[in-house]
Amino acid sequence: DAEITQSPRHKITETGRQVTLACHQTWNHNNMFWYRQDLGHGLRLIHYSYGVQDTNKGEVSDGYSVSRSNTEDLPLTLESAASSQTSVYFCASSLRDLTDTQYFGPGTRLTVL
Amino acid sequence: QKEVEQDPGPLSVPEGAIVSLNCTYSNSAFQYFMWYRQYSRKGPELLMYTYSSGNKEDGRFTAQVDKSSKYISLFIRDSQPSDSATYLCAMTLNTGFQKLVFGTGTRLLVSP
Repeated sequence: DAEITQSPRHKITETGRQVTLACHQTWNHNNMFWYRQDLGHGLRLIHYSYGVQDTNKGEVSDGYSVSRSNTEDLPLTLESAASSQTSVYFCASSLRDLTDTQYFGPGTRLTVL
Repeated sequence: QKEVEQDPGPLSVPEGAIVSLNCTYSNSAFQYFMWYRQYSRKGPELLMYTYSSGNKEDGRFTAQVDKSSKYISLFIRDSQPSDSATYLCAMTLNTGFQKLVFGTGTRLLVSP
């Protein structure tokens, strides 16, 4: 069955370290998204991509980067982790159009000490 | 002021009750409105979406949009303990770009 996976599911790191969160989908979806979810803020868009080699900044992109070298993967990199980036991170994908459903991965819980 | 406001709850109801979940928003340009359900420690999953104003029904769930009041609702009839989850509203513009703006979510607890 087609699916969207995230790894690792849990990660503890130290301030200043570089961290990469993986997202892989097997639906052959064009669109991929990264969100963070925090109490009191809900889901906020970090970066998104509408296809290979396309990346765009979302609402809270400072300190994060993404690259899209193939259809299946959109890794999220924290260049120098900060305690404010402690959060639950969700990856999502959708086929193409505005009304296509966004399917979410299971999330990665990141703690920055 | 947040673009989308949603009461965080928790909302506690007995099994069989009718549940009403609501969101208000400030951007009158929003055209597509969605409701996502999120179980604990899981990713959100789409329940329903509606375009512009009106009602949409799917089984025990009814989504309602009132654009004049900038208010959307999700009604759950005959609520079940399995409905216990966090419900997130989301909305987007009709520009061809699929950038969703989410509410903070309302936690619903349905007791047997």
